[in-house]
Amino acid sequence: SAVISQKPSRDICQRGTSLTIQCQVDSQVTMMFWYRQQPGQSLTLIATANQGSEATYESGFVIDKFPISRPNLTFSTLTVSNMSPEDSSIYLCSVEGQEPEAFFGQGTRLTVV
Amino acid sequence: AQKITQTQPGMFVQEKEAVTLDCTYDTSDQSYGLFWYKQPSSGEMIFLIYQGSYDEQNATEGRYSLNFQKARKSANLVISASQLGDSAMYFCAMREGNTDKLIFGTGTRLQVFP
Repeated sequence: SAVISQKPSRDICQRGTSLTIQCQVDSQVTMMFWYRQQPGQSLTLIATANQGSEATYESGFVIDKFPISRPNLTFSTLTVSNMSPEDSSIYLCSVEGQEPEAFFGQGTRLTVV
Repeated sequence: AQKITQTQPGMFVQEKEAVTLDCTYDTSDQSYGLFWYKQPSSGEMIFLIYQGSYDEQNATEGRYSLNFQKARKSANLVISASQLGDSAMYFCAMREGNTDKLIFGTGTRLQVFP
């Protein structure tokens, strides 16, 4: 199984600012995924990040708001830009291992005030 | 249409009893995978169990088993001998054969009482 380190674990940010979330994996993986979980809701995929190419965004999510970097096969970042209180959520990164299940980081609990 | 449906927003179970969490899914693919994850209050997502669409036997992992009824498109999670530490949100998810992403249901909050 993959071990994923995600940071920060939580943050409180002012509206209008940006936060970059880091996701580090202990093994090389082809795909990394970023999810958002709004309060009391389920997980929604933001984008899929492949190394060496631009991220693929799901409907309702745009690169200007959620820029993603994937500089190598073990690391990715998600930036939440120009934040508003509606961006308050848990953000999770995920990878696939050799087994079919997806592994998740510990999540970043973001509060925008 | 909802791809994954969890109709139980909340469930209660007494310690040491078994509990079933319902999940139905909708797909036209022949190849797909079904997953259950546990999310405690800390927010992490913990993988519990996986069932492939071609698996003939129901998956089991310790106290967790998946009651897979393909014709009814259901993939219910059974937790046996519930423990207080099982109190958490439980999410059912599906990966269709032609994609890599997981689609999640709305979750069921399970509370185990002494």
